[in-house]
Amino acid sequence: DAGVIQSPRHEVTEMGQEVTLRCKPISGHDYLFWYRQTMMRGLELLIYFNNNVPIDDSGMPEDRFSAKMPNASFSTLKIQPSEPRDSAVYFCASSHRPTGGGETQYFGPGTRLLVL
Amino acid sequence: AQSVTQLGSHVSVSEGALVLLRCNYSSSVPPYLFWYVQYPNQGLQLLLKYTTGATLVKGINGFEAEFKKSETSFHLTKPSAHMSDAAEYFCAVSGGGYQKVTFGTGTKLQVIP
Repeated sequence: DAGVIQSPRHEVTEMGQEVTLRCKPISGHDYLFWYRQTMMRGLELLIYFNNNVPIDDSGMPEDRFSAKMPNASFSTLKIQPSEPRDSAVYFCASSHRPTGGGETQYFGPGTRLLVL
Repeated sequence: AQSVTQLGSHVSVSEGALVLLRCNYSSSVPPYLFWYVQYPNQGLQLLLKYTTGATLVKGINGFEAEFKKSETSFHLTKPSAHMSDAAEYFCAVSGGGYQKVTFGTGTKLQVIP
């Protein structure tokens, strides 16, 4: 399997612009997670989906952030408008079963976002 | 509620020396425990995990960890460090069912030649 695929790998944008991050989970995985990693806050779970349905979005920072999963093989995380404090590495991960029960998460390579 | 505490944000060891990365957890239910590794500019990948059964868990690349309930610890060890072990290591915990995984703040391991 190709693993979790994320695009773009790097994104530089200006404050106020819309940013869309993309993720393709591992085929057959029913759970998809979006994380944000920063030096100050470490690794934060933003939102996760089960069978394309958002289950918990309590980690989404504010209304500027939105995530969708239109089908089992594609998800997007959108920031509109972007701000410099959104600069971070954004990871997508997927798992076959609920991670609460000890299931392994498989992470993508991340998207490094810089908002100027 | 669940949490993990990783002691030491940076650890340096000499090549060939013992690696010991500390993790203590807090969980109101029997925990599931993980160690993930992140190499530079890459995503996290699983090193090892404890679910049930044997408390000494062996993982990839010669790493192992021991679940000690009485000490609420899950420390990661490797007898002999290799240069390729330089990375950031994350301890994580979950409490079963549909609970989320909570990650620690990470420990960066430096291996000195």
